[in-house]
Amino acid sequence: KNQVEQSPQSLIILEGKNCTLQCNYTVSPFSNLRWYKQDTGRGPVSLTIMTFSENTKSNGRYTATLDADTKQSSLHITASQLSDSASYICVVSANFGNEKLTFGTGTRLTIIP
Amino acid sequence: NAGVTQTPKFQVLKTGQSMTLQCAQDMNHEYMSWYRQDPGMGLRLIHYSVGAGITDQGEVPNGYNVSRSTTEDFPLRLLSAAPSQTSVYFCASSYRLRSRPYGYTFGSGTRLTVV
Repeated sequence: KNQVEQSPQSLIILEGKNCTLQCNYTVSPFSNLRWYKQDTGRGPVSLTIMTFSENTKSNGRYTATLDADTKQSSLHITASQLSDSASYICVVSANFGNEKLTFGTGTRLTIIP
Repeated sequence: NAGVTQTPKFQVLKTGQSMTLQCAQDMNHEYMSWYRQDPGMGLRLIHYSVGAGITDQGEVPNGYNVSRSTTEDFPLRLLSAAPSQTSVYFCASSYRLRSRPYGYTFGSGTRLTVV
């Protein structure tokens, strides 16, 4: 069964600090991996998307890494800001005719001043 | 550019009532889909459409109907609401890259409570 597991479930850090969120998956056959940011009461917004051949992708202060061999990804947030408080969702796509997305349950990140 | 617009934002239904959740996109995306988000679970696909006139079932389709008469609109119908359908519903649209859906844009969601 295709699964995406994220850790930690929740995280609280001080403004200005860095943090790393983890994503492990068992989706096969792998197509791509996405990270989304979801603010409370809003829909998910795409941060990065990586295919099998990419092992790092940046979007401003967000840097995602992918190790397709170990089926792990991480999202690193640098110099956190209060606006980074949100849920971060890892989504892995299986390479079927019609793409199937498997969503993780997310990491709830809270930035405190 | 509005992106994906969902209405209503909040709705309370009584068990057995029916209703339609509206979704419209103005990006000319071929692919549209509906998801539900429940506490402690990842988003789950209800129904999707690869173009006007074409729909198919996702992971959790029971109790829901969809139609796609235009590229812009993809309404989700609850036939007879049940408490188990209490959830937050998201509509998404995406463009195609090499014949497959790629960049997804999500609406802001409809929070539905069935009592």
